[in-house]
Amino acid sequence: QSVLTQPPSASGTPGQRVTISCSGSNSNVGSNYVYWFQQLPGTAPKLLIYSNNQRPSGVPDRFSGSKSGTSASLAISGLRSEDEADYYCAAWDDSLSGVLFGGGTKLTVL
Amino acid sequence: EVQLVESGGGLAQPGGSLRLSCAASGFTFSSYEMNWVRQAPGKGLEWVSYISSGGTTIYYADSVKGRFTISRDNAKNSLYLQMNSLRAEDTALYYCARAGIPAARWAFDIWGQGTMVTVSS
Repeated sequence: QSVLTQPPSASGTPGQRVTISCSGSNSNVGSNYVYWFQQLPGTAPKLLIYSNNQRPSGVPDRFSGSKSGTSASLAISGLRSEDEADYYCAAWDDSLSGVLFGGGTKLTVL
Repeated sequence: EVQLVESGGGLAQPGGSLRLSCAASGFTFSSYEMNWVRQAPGKGLEWVSYISSGGTTIYYADSVKGRFTISRDNAKNSLYLQMNSLRAEDTALYYCARAGIPAARWAFDIWGQGTMVTVSS
């Protein structure tokens, strides 16, 4: 069981906006940066968001991140079929002195 | 081309050992912090270990502490993971990942393709 809690699934239709939540605690999300990764089927993960809300070069601005207190969110606007993937949040945990990943959210584009 | 290529996976018996390697190319390996992340079949991602660019700072997940050892050889542009006392629950695809963004230590921006480790008798 992951300490960072994500919904196991999410869905939307093309063009819609969807959000994926990541709930943690004061020792991780509440006091450290949150990162988001996308994993397409059969491929290695890809960095989508770092430092809560920063996009690496090449990541479309349809993807955005936010954080408030001990929760973070990934928003995907203008949903496309190619966004169908697993999404993971991650954060350093001060108590564990380690990185925690959320359990992952499988996004389905209907 | 910036690339990470893992090797060394395979079948090991419970209690056995394996040594994973990750060969880096296309960037100045010695300047970057590196990590191992694993993914059990059909499961989510689990961070395993971190090593600083010079090898002086190391962290491990509790699940592998005392059994796994991360190391690097900057002269050979290589990252390693020595895995001892293997358990069935260590069965996973092991990725090496670069932390490539300054001041964002856990921004794993480059990943290898992974090497599969199976622990079974």
